[in-house]
Amino acid sequence: NAGVMQNPRHLVRRRGQEARLRCSPMKGHSHVYWYRQLPEEGLKFMVYLQKENIIDESGMPKERFSAEFPKEGPSILRIQQVVRGDSAAYFCASSPIGGNGEQYFGPGTRLTVT
Amino acid sequence: GIQVEQSPPDLILQEGANSTLRCNFSDSVNNLQWFHQNPWGQLINLFYIPSGTKQNGRLSATTVATERYSLLYISSSQTTDSGVYFCAVERGGGNKLTFGTGTQLKVEL
Repeated sequence: NAGVMQNPRHLVRRRGQEARLRCSPMKGHSHVYWYRQLPEEGLKFMVYLQKENIIDESGMPKERFSAEFPKEGPSILRIQQVVRGDSAAYFCASSPIGGNGEQYFGPGTRLTVT
Repeated sequence: GIQVEQSPPDLILQEGANSTLRCNFSDSVNNLQWFHQNPWGQLINLFYIPSGTKQNGRLSATTVATERYSLLYISSSQTTDSGVYFCAVERGGGNKLTFGTGTQLKVEL
C-alpha cells in the first residue's frame, strides 16, 4: 500500500509566479490535510478537505492561497503571486473515513521563492 | 486554542543512552500522535496514542490523558534517531492536528 505521495518534492518559483502543490492520499483515504512548516518553526494546520468539499480552512491565509480535492485526481494547494515569505515546507496528510483519526504524512514539498 | 508544550527543547545524547521526551497539552484530546522528523525533513509516524502505553522496538510511549501529558521513551539511542520529535494533538470535531514546538535530538558516537 503506497503512502501519501506529494509532488514535486522541491519547487522553485520567482516572486509573482504561481505554485501548485499536489497530494495523492493513501489508497482508501478520503480525508486530506495540508500543513505548512516555516523555517525554524513548527508545523501549522492550513486546510482540511474531503472529496469535493472544504471542511475547515481556518489556517489558510486569507489571500493568494486556495485548495481543492476534486472527485478525481490529487488534492491541489495553489499559491498565487508567491512572495519570499511563502518559502516553506508544505506537508500533506491523509486519513480514512471512519478511522480513528490517525493522520499519515507525505514527504513534503519544499517551496523556495527567489 | 489548545496549547502543546514539549520538553526539553534540545537534547544531546551519546550513542547507547536512554532518554525521555515530554509533551504537555492544555485540554482534553481525542487524538495524540508522535512523529520523528529526520534530517532530510520527512515526517515519520511513530505512535498514535491518545491514551495508554505502546511499544515499537526501542521506542515506547505513554499517554496519561487525565493528567494531560504524554511521554516518548527512546532506549539504546542510535545516530539514526537524530532529528526533531514532534507531539501533535487533536481536540475533536475538526480533525486538525496542533503540533508542539518539538524536541531537537542529536545522538553522537
